[in-house]
Amino acid sequence: AQTVTQSQPEMSVQEAETVTLSCTYDTSESNYYLFWYKQPPSRQMILVIRQEAYKQQNATENRFSVNFQKAAKSFSLKISDSQLGDTAMYFCAFMRHSGAGSYQLTFGKGTKLSVIP
Amino acid sequence: GAVVSQHPSRVICKSGTSVKIECRSLDFQATTMFWYRQFPKQSLMLMATSNEGSKATYEQGVEKDKFLINHASLTLSTLTVTSAHPEDSSFYICSASPTINTEAFFGQGTRLTVV
Repeated sequence: AQTVTQSQPEMSVQEAETVTLSCTYDTSESNYYLFWYKQPPSRQMILVIRQEAYKQQNATENRFSVNFQKAAKSFSLKISDSQLGDTAMYFCAFMRHSGAGSYQLTFGKGTKLSVIP
Repeated sequence: GAVVSQHPSRVICKSGTSVKIECRSLDFQATTMFWYRQFPKQSLMLMATSNEGSKATYEQGVEKDKFLINHASLTLSTLTVTSAHPEDSSFYICSASPTINTEAFFGQGTRLTVV
């Protein structure tokens, strides 16, 4: 079974600053995907960024980037130029890839990020 | 991206009654949908995997007779909470993915309150 660990229950960052959220995971799989989801107060789950395990290059989406260390099973999220709208719960998630096309997400417990004006 | 619509967004029901929550994939077909439960300030807990045309697969500890799942078409899965009790009050979220896509899209969630 896969496990996902987010060791920072809460974090805060000043507006325009940079913050890094940590995530580690445990799996015996070699082919998988990793995600960061954002859940704002509306509780709608929003995909922030995804990383395929077979890709060595770290994924980047505008102000969001990841540091993917496969050997260490670490997948941290860096948010640059933090904005007030980034205030939300952030969940790290692991998806096991199945050749049959099915998938299953395992979530970490989340990190509550507050961006301070 | 693909759109998953969940309805209703909020529902209040009396203890002992049943409530149905719908999850629709609006612009793609989904052979598999997932139902999660989220308690306040906690993570999403997978309840069951909904498979089109076959029985759902429930996670350990989830009562399949209480949480009835039906996936009768490639765009609709329903979760029925039967004989609801106050402890069933929670936030329920569904997700789905286009068959060949590995990204999960989530519904807006349903806040269920049992009084």
